[in-house]
Amino acid sequence: GEDVEQSLFLSVREGDSSVINCTYTDSSSTYLYWYKQEPGAGLQLLTYIFSNMDMKQDQRLTVLLNKKDKHLSLRIADTQTGDSAIYFCAERYSSASKIIFGSGTRLSIRP
Amino acid sequence: GAVVSQHPSRVICKSGTSVKIECRSLDFQATTMFWYRQFPKQSLMLMATSNEGSKATYEQGVEKDKFLINHASLTLSTLTVTSAHPEDSSFYICSATLDRVSGNTIYFGEGSWLTVV
Repeated sequence: GEDVEQSLFLSVREGDSSVINCTYTDSSSTYLYWYKQEPGAGLQLLTYIFSNMDMKQDQRLTVLLNKKDKHLSLRIADTQTGDSAIYFCAERYSSASKIIFGSGTRLSIRP
Repeated sequence: GAVVSQHPSRVICKSGTSVKIECRSLDFQATTMFWYRQFPKQSLMLMATSNEGSKATYEQGVEKDKFLINHASLTLSTLTVTSAHPEDSSFYICSATLDRVSGNTIYFGEGSWLTVV
């Protein structure tokens, strides 16, 4: 079945690294995404990774994919107050274009 | 700039009336558009997949007669919430894709906040 799971909350201290985890069930997922949603706003694509990759780095963001365990993580280095948002993990099936979203992880930053 | 535009961004309507939300792809032709709904503090749930010139494919549990989707052209899809009720109040967001294969060409609109009073 289609299922993407994330923990609901994460609190980190400013300047530390944040690691947001996600698990998915469909092994045929071709693309996995991380989106950011700030309060009252739409979705912002942060990064994505193809299923044949293990890691992708983009400035402060590092995505790790463990395809065997169907586990995806997003690491934000040097977390800042502007990183406060909800982060959604999403997967896209290879046989269709629809994207299935996780429940979102609310990241809060403490001083 | 935005490659997918939604309008209106916020709308308030009276219970029992219908409201239309537009989703436009800018500078590209979208073969497929998707409509999502997000309840407060929850994830986005796919409502339907809309292909230009054909009937939309609705996800299980979504009432097709209540949420009318029209994809009349390659740049425009509309979602009409008919006979709206307060429980329809939600954040509706569309996305558009160029084709069925390319994974990184899915663009989201800014979303539309619907409040039914």
